[in-house]
Amino acid sequence: DTAVSQTPKYLVTQMGNDKSIKCEQNLGHDTMYWYKQDSKKFLKIMFSYNNKELIINETVPNRFSPKSPDKAHLNLHINSLELGDSAVYFCASSPGTYSGAFFGQGTRLTVV
Amino acid sequence: AQSVTQLDSQVPVFEEAPVELRCNYSSSVSVYLFWYVQYPNQGLQLLLKYLSGSTLVKGINGFEAEFNKSQTSFHLRKPSVHISDTAEYFCAVSGSFEAAGNKLTFGGGTRVLVKP
Repeated sequence: DTAVSQTPKYLVTQMGNDKSIKCEQNLGHDTMYWYKQDSKKFLKIMFSYNNKELIINETVPNRFSPKSPDKAHLNLHINSLELGDSAVYFCASSPGTYSGAFFGQGTRLTVV
Repeated sequence: AQSVTQLDSQVPVFEEAPVELRCNYSSSVSVYLFWYVQYPNQGLQLLLKYLSGSTLVKGINGFEAEFNKSQTSFHLRKPSVHISDTAEYFCAVSGSFEAAGNKLTFGGGTRVLVKP
């Protein structure tokens, strides 16, 4: 059983399109995140949800909109995709401060 | 505010040799420290963590790390590396939920290349 699963694994799309990435965790964790990893491997948090409530929004353009229908799911919708959005997006979940986070396999988004 | 600096972007090392990856952090609140490994085209896997207590922390795959509060460091070591340890390694810091929403702040990563 995959603990944190993301779909799709790869996504190639044209500039200006709208796309979504889905994430599900079966660990029963209260907190879920989206992280962005750029081409230099730098990881930066984008959003964090705790029990479906947004608690962190790290100055991400408002073209990015997370949605958490329940505490096991956190989806990421991106409008009007730009070349600079090309990156690997990781979903993660955490039971709390002392445990770190459990990461999905990532979604490699390429905007052409 | 939290920040993490990994002092080496790349570390080449021969198989069966020891390796040390350096990590320094800064934080205005109590910190919890983590090391993660990322194999090619995969997600991040937790190697070990420091929460409190003994400053020497043992993790999976033979890795260990030492927390040094006075030097604000959390260096990762392995006495003898294998080819399979070739990967990207990330140091991360987390604050409390109240202070930082449990978010992990990562260093820039250190690429370990193990040569035969």
